[in-house]
Amino acid sequence: NAGVTQTPKFQVLKTGQSMTLQCAQDMNHNSMYWYRQDPGMGLRLIYYSASEGTTDKGEVPNGYNVSRLNKREFSLRLESAAPSQTSVYFCASSGRDRGGGNQPQHFGDGTRLSIL
Amino acid sequence: AQTVTQSQPEMSVQEAETVTLSCTYDTSESNYYLFWYKQPPSRQMILVIRQEAYKQQNATENRFSVNFQKAAKSFSLKISDSQLGDTAMYFCAFVYQGGSEKLVFGKGTKLTVNP
Repeated sequence: NAGVTQTPKFQVLKTGQSMTLQCAQDMNHNSMYWYRQDPGMGLRLIYYSASEGTTDKGEVPNGYNVSRLNKREFSLRLESAAPSQTSVYFCASSGRDRGGGNQPQHFGDGTRLSIL
Repeated sequence: AQTVTQSQPEMSVQEAETVTLSCTYDTSESNYYLFWYKQPPSRQMILVIRQEAYKQQNATENRFSVNFQKAAKSFSLKISDSQLGDTAMYFCAFVYQGGSEKLVFGKGTKLTVNP
């Protein structure tokens, strides 16, 4: 079972370049998320998508855009990369159990992004 | 807004001993879930244990157990018989049940298990 797949695993960009991080899940989950992880800050939510066709801002959305292409895929785009966006990025997905409760989120392996 | 606080940035324990990681949270909601995630050096985020707020019984998964005190808004993780493979960052997380599925994470505790 693949679970949540993120590509690429590593990337180095120059300031001002653009890039799209890809994420796909095969668990038929409705909800998908993008987080960034910085030292001493834990994981902070950038954007999330509660269902196909919907997206909402999280805690730190500035400088990012997202696209929920279909139920499986949720991409994160940096239009003009800045050094402050150097971080590890995680994609996650989750569904609901039969009782309607929130299931735990499943995470991809992360993308280490460096902006020079 | 919900907040999650992990007051111990770093902890260490000897192999085979027991260690407890602390987590407190703040919410006005009554129905929610709490989680502990483990992040080893490989960077993967691995679910360790889950607790539903409506359940009084503390969750247990093998060597991992929680002490859930709803009134005190406390959710500590106890690791028994610590193993070298338990060395990792541990994150406490909260999600409101039935509504938005956004997780709120604490900043993490770095646990080192020494041989």
